[in-house]
Amino acid sequence: GDSVTQMEGPVTLSEEAFLTINCTYTATGYPSLFWYVQYPGEGLQLLLKATKADDKGSNKGFEATYRKETTSFHLEKGSVQVSDSAVYFCALSSHNTDKLIFGTGTRLQVFP
Amino acid sequence: GAGVSQSPSNKVTEKGKDVELRCDPISGHTALYWYRQSLGQGLEFLIYFQGNSAPDKSGLPSDRFSAERTGGSVSTLTIQRTQQEDSAVYLCASSRSRAYEQFFGPGTRLTVL
Repeated sequence: GDSVTQMEGPVTLSEEAFLTINCTYTATGYPSLFWYVQYPGEGLQLLLKATKADDKGSNKGFEATYRKETTSFHLEKGSVQVSDSAVYFCALSSHNTDKLIFGTGTRLQVFP
Repeated sequence: GAGVSQSPSNKVTEKGKDVELRCDPISGHTALYWYRQSLGQGLEFLIYFQGNSAPDKSGLPSDRFSAERTGGSVSTLTIQRTQQEDSAVYLCASSRSRAYEQFFGPGTRLTVL
């Protein structure tokens, strides 16, 4: 079945460092790909998405590119802030079903 | 406008009791989803309602779990004869229709003693 694998955390960075959180997927067909973020004490929020190969999703300085050849959707940010500290979830939804399949989540901790 | 709301925010119950969790989706959203977030299993899909179509129950872990959606709006997730492994945060999400962005509620934290 469809699945998402993302890197284990926690990821600990200093402010202004470069961030990469790896995400790979297994799916039949052509899924849509998402990054969700969960800030401390808050609910899940959609951060960005891409619906077809080579699409780049971007929001709040974060980017991820849908790479069909490597089945990946890595999250990147050039300069993280303390306020980016949160848990990040990679997810997919198949074209024939709308349920989201999530990775295990990666906790990011940014220190000043 | 108002987001997805869930109640209660926290629920502590004893093993063997039944519990009901409520979700109020965003007004006008026809699609509604339930997910569960637990330490051992991560975030997993439970059930999906879309308009008047039969719900997709493929994620329900056992027949102790059921859900209904009345009038195409409010949904209730019922867990009968709760077990300790049911302890988790239960998340509800709604979307304008299928294939649109899902908006999540704050969740109900269920603890089964």
